[in-house]
Amino acid sequence: AQKVTQAQTEISVVEKEDVTLDCVYETRDTTYYLFWYKQPPSGELVFLIRRNSFDEQNEISGRYSWNFQKSTSSFNFTITASQVVDSAVYFCALSEALLDSSYKLIFGSGTRLLVRP
Amino acid sequence: DTGVSQNPRHKITKRGQNVTFRCDPISEHNRLYWYRQTLGQGPEFLTYFQNEAQLEKSRLLSDRFSAERPKGSFSTLEIQRTEQGDSAMYLCASSLGRGPTLSPETQYFGPGTRLLVL
Repeated sequence: AQKVTQAQTEISVVEKEDVTLDCVYETRDTTYYLFWYKQPPSGELVFLIRRNSFDEQNEISGRYSWNFQKSTSSFNFTITASQVVDSAVYFCALSEALLDSSYKLIFGSGTRLLVRP
Repeated sequence: DTGVSQNPRHKITKRGQNVTFRCDPISEHNRLYWYRQTLGQGPEFLTYFQNEAQLEKSRLLSDRFSAERPKGSFSTLEIQRTEQGDSAMYLCASSLGRGPTLSPETQYFGPGTRLLVL
């Protein structure tokens, strides 16, 4: 069965520290996609990144970077020089294909990140 | 351009009452999804529309739940005879599907409707 595990329930860091959020997934599909979303206190899920199973290149976007390792079924997310505004719940998600070529998202339980000034 | 909008943002109701939520997707997005999120958990898929056709329903969607997207634009999710276990955040997402492809489009989420059943 498709599954996403985010073992870290809550992480607390001091501003400017680097922090890595772990994500491990299970899938029977050979082609799949992985996502990270951010959920601030307002509740809206904000899309951060999408990565397909054929592309294991790491990606960097400003202070954010993602490390995809197919061999360990992991898709970890690192925030460099964290800021208070990064405080939120972060979700990792895995695509599961639907019949008509669309897909639904299978989410992990999320990691709450608290960045203290 | 506006994002996905949902109304109401909050709803408090008594057990046994019916409630209806509305979702307005991003303009021209042909795909629309409903998810439910309980406290401390990630969202769980409920149902999916391609234009006005409801193509997928989760087993989580009991008989008391019904969703529609009558003209392929906005969608409504109705819960009849609410129970305390229905208390959750109901999230709507939309995407622009381009047909069979190996590259799924991104789903964009609305702010959600938080339901509390007393």
